[in-house]
Amino acid sequence: QSVLTQPPSISAAPGQTITISCSGSSSNIENNFVSWYQQLPGTSPKVLIYDDKKRPSGIPDRFSGSKSGTSATLGIAGLQTGDEADYYCGTWDGSQSAWVFGGGTKLTVL
Amino acid sequence: EVQLVESGGGLVKPGGSLRLSCAGSGFTFSSYNMNWVRQAPGKGLEWVSMISYSSSYTYYADSGRGRFTISRDNARNSLYLQMDRLRVEDTAVYYCARGGLEHWGQGTLVTVSS
Repeated sequence: QSVLTQPPSISAAPGQTITISCSGSSSNIENNFVSWYQQLPGTSPKVLIYDDKKRPSGIPDRFSGSKSGTSATLGIAGLQTGDEADYYCGTWDGSQSAWVFGGGTKLTVL
Repeated sequence: EVQLVESGGGLVKPGGSLRLSCAGSGFTFSSYNMNWVRQAPGKGLEWVSMISYSSSYTYYADSGRGRFTISRDNARNSLYLQMDRLRVEDTAVYYCARGGLEHWGQGTLVTVSS
């Protein structure tokens, strides 16, 4: 059971906009920065969003992040077939002194 | 360019030991905390351990505390994970990740099986 809660799967058509939620608590999301990771099949995770809403260089602005209280959200606009991947949220948990992740959301673009 | 390259994975019997290594380059290794994160086959990400930049502090997930030991050699730009008393459920790809998990290596597979 993951500390952070994400929907296990989501599917949408190319060109659509989706959001992926990540729910936590005051010991993690509410008081620490959230990152979002994309893991394409057979590859290592890559940061899409850090510090709640910042994008590393090279990440298109189709990807966005937001946070409110104990929840964070990843948005992906203009879905492409290449966006099919597993997406994870992650943050530091101060009460556990540990990095914690959501269980992952499998995005299918059909 | 930041690079993290893990090595040392392989097949080991339950109860055995393995030492993983991670070589960092393209950044000032001694300035960053470093982490190990693992992913069991078909499963999600699980943080394993973190070591502070100067080795003053170490943190472990409950799953590895008492069996795993994280260490680093800043002179060699290297991170290590000594894994003892391995269990079948430790089977996973082990990634090293820098600082706030902003950069990840390609991973090394550890298989614990008789």
